[in-house]
Amino acid sequence: EVQLLESGGGLVQPGGSLRLSCAASGFIFSSYNMGWVRQAPGKGLEWVSRISDTDGRTHYAESVKGRFTLSRDNSKNMLYLQMNSLRAEDTAVYYCAKDRSRGNSYGFFDYWGQGALVTVSS
Amino acid sequence: DIQMTQSPSTLSASVGDRVTITCRASQSISTWLAWYQQKPGKAPKLLIYKASVLEDAVPSRFSGGGSGTEFTLTISSLQPDDFATYYCQQYDSDLYTFGQGTKVDI
Repeated sequence: EVQLLESGGGLVQPGGSLRLSCAASGFIFSSYNMGWVRQAPGKGLEWVSRISDTDGRTHYAESVKGRFTLSRDNSKNMLYLQMNSLRAEDTAVYYCAKDRSRGNSYGFFDYWGQGALVTVSS
Repeated sequence: DIQMTQSPSTLSASVGDRVTITCRASQSISTWLAWYQQKPGKAPKLLIYKASVLEDAVPSRFSGGGSGTEFTLTISSLQPDDFATYYCQQYDSDLYTFGQGTKVDI
């Protein structure tokens, strides 16, 4: 059974930093691209970032580019989202998601974690 | 970036109704489109990919169609479990984008 478990959410002041982690199990983690999607309170889904399976190539939404860094450790089946220079508008539930695509292809998310709440407020 | 626009934003329907949600892309995305269902407080669930391919275990009352810039999600006979918010997502570029969502309520 595929499981994705996010951790690291919480309250942070504007300008601060936070690192989200996602522990993956139930599939060959190193064989799939992965991503993060967020959802602000009462709002829709917003794609944040994605990372390829083996070469770790990353892509970011314009709203987080230059502030967020996505990485993965295939030896530990872990995905990480380092979030710096946080703003109030980054307040959201952040979902870790497994992409069905591999390598340089594009895809969709077939499994999602339960989400981690990040609140940016003073 | 490719923009995705869904209509309507809210749809009121009754059990047994046939409902259709539309998703339009700002440029052609061939059939690189997925649909998700989300219930309050829960993670999204994949329903359809490649515009019309039903994900495993998704009821056959759900169907998807379209190509290029216009796509539809149809529920042939709305069931109580289907009242939720639905999102489209394009995956034809490095940067994925979601539609703003369509809430289906009673």
